[in-house]
Amino acid sequence: DAGVIQSPRHEVTEMGQEVTLRCKPISGHDYLFWYRQTMMRGLELLIYFNNNVPIDDSGMPEDRFSAKMPNASFSTLKIQPSEPRDSAVYFCASSLQGRRSPLHFGNGTRLTVT
Amino acid sequence: KNQVEQSPQSLIILEGKNCTLQCNYTVSPFSNLRWYKQDTGRGPVSLTIMTFSENTKSNGRYTATLDADTKQSSLHITASQLSDSASYICVVSELDAGNMLTFGGGTRLMVKP
Repeated sequence: DAGVIQSPRHEVTEMGQEVTLRCKPISGHDYLFWYRQTMMRGLELLIYFNNNVPIDDSGMPEDRFSAKMPNASFSTLKIQPSEPRDSAVYFCASSLQGRRSPLHFGNGTRLTVT
Repeated sequence: KNQVEQSPQSLIILEGKNCTLQCNYTVSPFSNLRWYKQDTGRGPVSLTIMTFSENTKSNGRYTATLDADTKQSSLHITASQLSDSASYICVVSELDAGNMLTFGGGTRLMVKP
């Protein structure tokens, strides 16, 4: 299995532009998570899906952030308009149902907003 | 509020030496605790999981311990190698709280030759 695949690996954009991050979870996993990692705040949960349905989006910073999961093999995280404080590494992770199941993380997208 | 505190924040050791990383948590009720290793530029990877009834678990040169009474866990690395250089993140799961996890801030370990 190729693991969780994220694209792009790096994204540099100007303030005010739209940014779309993409994720392909591990086949058969029914949970998908979006996290943001910064030096100051560590890993923060933004939103998670179960069977393609958003379950908890309380971590989404504000209305500029949105996430979709149109099918079991694809999810997007969109920021519109982007701001410099959105600069961070964004991780997608997937897992099988159950608290004993580990999260399988992608290698992240490093976003820089200038 | 659930919290997970890790210490030290960073650590430098020489190759071949042992080290121990600490994790204290206030998450209650407790379900399980997992240690992740995060290499630079990569996503975290699970090393081991500890449940309430487990005191010690090993994964190669990594040994995790759990004291559920004092709400402390440790990760001991034996005979360190250069490839152990990474951040180690402690993550605690709350019982009956769906998929809510509380992440520690991590310990950044550097192993020098």
